Amino acid sequence: RKEVEQDPGPFNVPEGATVAFNCTYSNSASQSFFWYRQDCRKEPKLLMSVYSSGNEDGRFTAQLNRASQYISLLIRDSKLSDSATYLCVVRGGGSNYKLTFGKGTLLTVNP
Amino acid sequence: NAGVMQNPRHLVRRRGQEARLRCSPMKGHSHVYWYRQLPEEGLKFMVYLQKENIIDESGMPKERFSAEFPKEGPSILRIQQVVRGDSAAYFCASSRGGNSPLHFGNGTRLTVT
Repeated sequence: RKEVEQDPGPFNVPEGATVAFNCTYSNSASQSFFWYRQDCRKEPKLLMSVYSSGNEDGRFTAQLNRASQYISLLIRDSKLSDSATYLCVVRGGGSNYKLTFGKGTLLTVNP
Repeated sequence: NAGVMQNPRHLVRRRGQEARLRCSPMKGHSHVYWYRQLPEEGLKFMVYLQKENIIDESGMPKERFSAEFPKEGPSILRIQQVVRGDSAAYFCASSRGGNSPLHFGNGTRLTVT
């Protein structure tokens, strides 16, 4: 099982749609979780951290299920500017502070 | 409030030459990470450093690659005797440590001809 596995995509949605990204991780001792976005040929940028209780930032909602080792990201009312690759990121447990990135899921929002 | 600074943005080397990639972390950050991204691939962890120490180099190829983060100055990723397969985007990221997120520089795109 891969350390971090995401939906392969790509996703093509119309403006205004709701889109969900799913991610699973293999290390049950993982301590922290993030979603990043990466635009074509640019650096990854932090979108949001993911907390056990779930968290929301405007149109974006992240959920964590530790028992199932599953993370999700929901984007509501999608905009053209949301088009990017979304990366699920997991930090190892204990003193292992390495962040492992999923391969990413490409989202294209169409007018 | 400068972010993570990487240079050069683009680097062209002929096979067999050396490539040196530099990274200055964000102010207040003492933890540096290097990642490599091949075209159409995900980010692969290479090495994690704190000042003067390599903490985790499990992603570094055993030969030709080395990294350092001296007490003064930027972190350096060094690739000796480059080969075509080394062509990739190399991203540096920094953090405050602990569970804080990483902030990335805009990368160095290495092309080996």
